Amino acid sequence: QKEVEQNSGPLSVPEGAIASLNCTYSDRVSQSFFWYRQYSGKSPELIMSIYSNGDKEDGRFTAQLNKASQYVSLLIRDSQPSDSATYLCARPKKAQKLVFGQGTRLTINP
Amino acid sequence: GAVVSQHPSWVICKSGTSVKIECRSLDFQATTMFWYRQFPKQSLMLMATSNEGSKATYEQGVEKDKFLINHASLTLSTLTVTSAHPEDSSFYICSARKFREGGAQETQYFGPGTRLLVL
Repeated sequence: QKEVEQNSGPLSVPEGAIASLNCTYSDRVSQSFFWYRQYSGKSPELIMSIYSNGDKEDGRFTAQLNKASQYVSLLIRDSQPSDSATYLCARPKKAQKLVFGQGTRLTINP
Repeated sequence: GAVVSQHPSWVICKSGTSVKIECRSLDFQATTMFWYRQFPKQSLMLMATSNEGSKATYEQGVEKDKFLINHASLTLSTLTVTSAHPEDSSFYICSARKFREGGAQETQYFGPGTRLLVL
């Protein structure tokens, strides 16, 4: 099993709907997780971090962490075309590095 | 959040020349920065970890003599691509590690990237 695994997509969601992005991980001791958004041709941008079990909300974004099941998800409410991007899930590993999933390409259809 | 800048944003050079890319943390100090490379439609690939005041740590398969890293201060790391060749053409992105208040947890913030084209 990969350290961090995401469905590469593409995931298509109609405008205004909820986009649900999922990520599973293999290391049970992982304590923190990050969601980055990367627009085509741009660098990743941090949109959410989550450190404890449960939900964390920030505007239209909600991150959900379930350590027992080893998954972390990102929900985007009221999806907008500007949310179309690749979303990367990441967790830290030893030597302060980040391990990234392969990214999920999300398209919001107007 | 935190701001990380890179310079230049894009560069075109002839084969055989060296190119220096700067990465700066503008509003925080970063003892550790990271250098990534990304080819079109591929994932980020970590090249090396840059540590202030000490030698960089390179990932397996990355030539340290070709990709020179210098982290001379708490806000600046540089990556020099020496004797660049067309296969070095890529999108180079740095990130800087920032600790949260209290220092218990950290987050990485990415620079905007530098697009290198070697002719």
